Amino acid sequence: QVQLMESGGGLVKPGGSLRLSCAASGFTFSDYYMNWIRQTPGKGLEWVSYISSRGNTIFYADSVKGRFTISRDNAKKSLYLQMNSLRVDDTAVYYCAREFRGSSSDWGQGILVTVSS
Amino acid sequence: DIQMTQSPSTLSASVGDRVTITCRASQSITNWLAWYQQKPGKAPKLLIYKASSLQSGVPSRFSGSGSGTEFTLTISSLQPDDFATYYCQHYNSYWWTFGQGTKVEIK
Repeated sequence: QVQLMESGGGLVKPGGSLRLSCAASGFTFSDYYMNWIRQTPGKGLEWVSYISSRGNTIFYADSVKGRFTISRDNAKKSLYLQMNSLRVDDTAVYYCAREFRGSSSDWGQGILVTVSS
Repeated sequence: DIQMTQSPSTLSASVGDRVTITCRASQSITNWLAWYQQKPGKAPKLLIYKASSLQSGVPSRFSGSGSGTEFTLTISSLQPDDFATYYCQHYNSYWWTFGQGTKVEIK
């Protein structure tokens, strides 16, 4: 069955960096667009970034543009999110999600990123 | 940017009730709308995609309708497992926008 597993979260100071990873299994990873989505109690669910199946088309939400970088390694069946210049309001649970007809049929379990001094 | 507004924010209902949640878009989005169910500590679960298509494995008591700017998620007969928070989501090429959620509580 489809499995997505995030890792790399944790506590970081404002201005710091983290790299999230998402390991995929149970499907042909290289065939699917992927997304990162985050969730906070205050702002709810927020789309963060998108990457096409071959990695040649990438988009970001305005809130993270210039600070976050999405990438993928199809040989390793892995998705990444490099987060730099982190701010307190980047604190959230981050999910990787497999795109399906304008939505997502499969999400990881989520990983908590806390930005605090 | 297109805004998605759900109503109500909270809904109290009993097992067996018919429940309807509404999602309104600030401009027409044709049928690019999905519905998710989320339980505490878990990732969202896809229920409906493209406004009215039932995701595989989702019980038939869930249904979606609408087009343009107004959409509804209906649970025909609320079951104990359905008490959760529900979100709508719009897809615009690559950009996703979520509603703020509707919490369905036990009456």
